[in-house]
Amino acid sequence: AQTVTQSQPEMSVQEAETVTLSCTYDTSENNYYLFWYKQPPSRQMILVIRQEAYKQQNATENRFSVNFQKAAKSFSLKISDSQLGDTAMYFCAFMSRRGGGADGLTFGKGTHLIIQP
Amino acid sequence: DADVTQTPRNRITKTGKRIMLECSQTKGHDRMYWYRQDPGLGLRLIYYSFDVKDINKGEISDGYSVSRQAQAKFSLSLESAIPNQTALYFCATSDPDRGGYGYTFGSGTRLTVV
Repeated sequence: AQTVTQSQPEMSVQEAETVTLSCTYDTSENNYYLFWYKQPPSRQMILVIRQEAYKQQNATENRFSVNFQKAAKSFSLKISDSQLGDTAMYFCAFMSRRGGGADGLTFGKGTHLIIQP
Repeated sequence: DADVTQTPRNRITKTGKRIMLECSQTKGHDRMYWYRQDPGLGLRLIYYSFDVKDINKGEISDGYSVSRQAQAKFSLSLESAIPNQTALYFCATSDPDRGGYGYTFGSGTRLTVV
């Protein structure tokens, strides 16, 4: 079984600053995906970014980028030029590629990010 | 219309009552999942299904049951609700051919057991 750990329950930064959210995971598998999901107050689950474990290049999506360290089992999310709309819960998640992800997603406990004006 | 629809959006029920949370999807996905979200605990898997005859327990299935009435419908039941089942419940579907991009979540049902 795999575990996902987010050690920052809450973070607060000023608008336009850069913030990094931490995530570590534990697995014996070698082929998997990692994700960051955003959950705003509307409670919708929104996929922010995905990383494939066999790709060394870090994924980026506009202001969002990850630092994926496979050997260290670390997967942090960097948000550049933070905006008020980035205020949300952020969940790190793991998905094995076995069976096309049949066992579902394993989530961390979440980080509540607050962007201050 | 939403791809994954959960009803009701919010529900308050009394201890001991039977309650059903419903999920329907228009994605055409075979795989469907029920997750529970608690503050400080993230989302945890309750049950999942690959078709109407294939139901699997997740991490926290005790106290819950499910029914896959059709490819498009997957219901979660609490036979006798208790206060510690107060949580936000999410239904999700997935397309295994899309490598994780295929997950679609419903908008959640907030259940309060008093």
